Amino acid sequence: AQSVTQPDIHITVSEGASLELRCNYSYGATPYLFWYVQSPGQGLQLLLKYFSGDTLVQGIKGFEAEFKRSQSSFNLRKPSVHWSDAAEYFCAVGALVTDTGFQKLVFGTGTRLLVSP
Amino acid sequence: DTAVSQTPKYLVTQMGNDKSIKCEQNLGHDTMYWYKQDSKKFLKIMFSYNNKELIINETVPNRFSPKSPDKAHLNLHINSLELGDSAVYFCASSPGQGRMNTEAFFGQGTRLTVV
Repeated sequence: AQSVTQPDIHITVSEGASLELRCNYSYGATPYLFWYVQSPGQGLQLLLKYFSGDTLVQGIKGFEAEFKRSQSSFNLRKPSVHWSDAAEYFCAVGALVTDTGFQKLVFGTGTRLLVSP
Repeated sequence: DTAVSQTPKYLVTQMGNDKSIKCEQNLGHDTMYWYKQDSKKFLKIMFSYNNKELIINETVPNRFSPKSPDKAHLNLHINSLELGDSAVYFCASSPGQGRMNTEAFFGQGTRLTVV
């Protein structure tokens, strides 16, 4: 069955420091991968997505992620974190629902990012 | 000009009541979803509709009944509310008939508290 693992429940980073959030997925076919961000009391906003092609994808707000098939990973990075980046980050894989041709998103448990001054 | 909008944003109600959450999208998408986020922030799909037709039903109790009057609207009605139904419910939509390699656009969520 498809699954997504985000091993870090929360991470604290100093403002201006670099960030890497880990994501590992389990999916039998070509994965479609996503990173979403949820600010407190808000909905989910798409940061970036990987469907095919270049394994390093750029997203909004200066985020990027690298797809590594050999490691089944899709880690999110940012070179310099801002205080406004404090939020919950979710990695997700698009999984085909059997006999429908439609997909659902299977989410990881999220990583809470705290930014210290 | 919110893309996916849900009402209400907060809902507090007593056990046993029946309540509805409404969702509308103005993106012209064919596919809409309901996701549930529990107290540990875990997100899981509940339902998906494509052009008013139910596509995905993830073993949700039949107290939950989605209704799609047209492809821009997907409402969620919950009967006989239980304490365990307390959660944040997210509506979402996606283009491309909800097929693979399409992203989902989420609403702001409805925080349901059952007391």
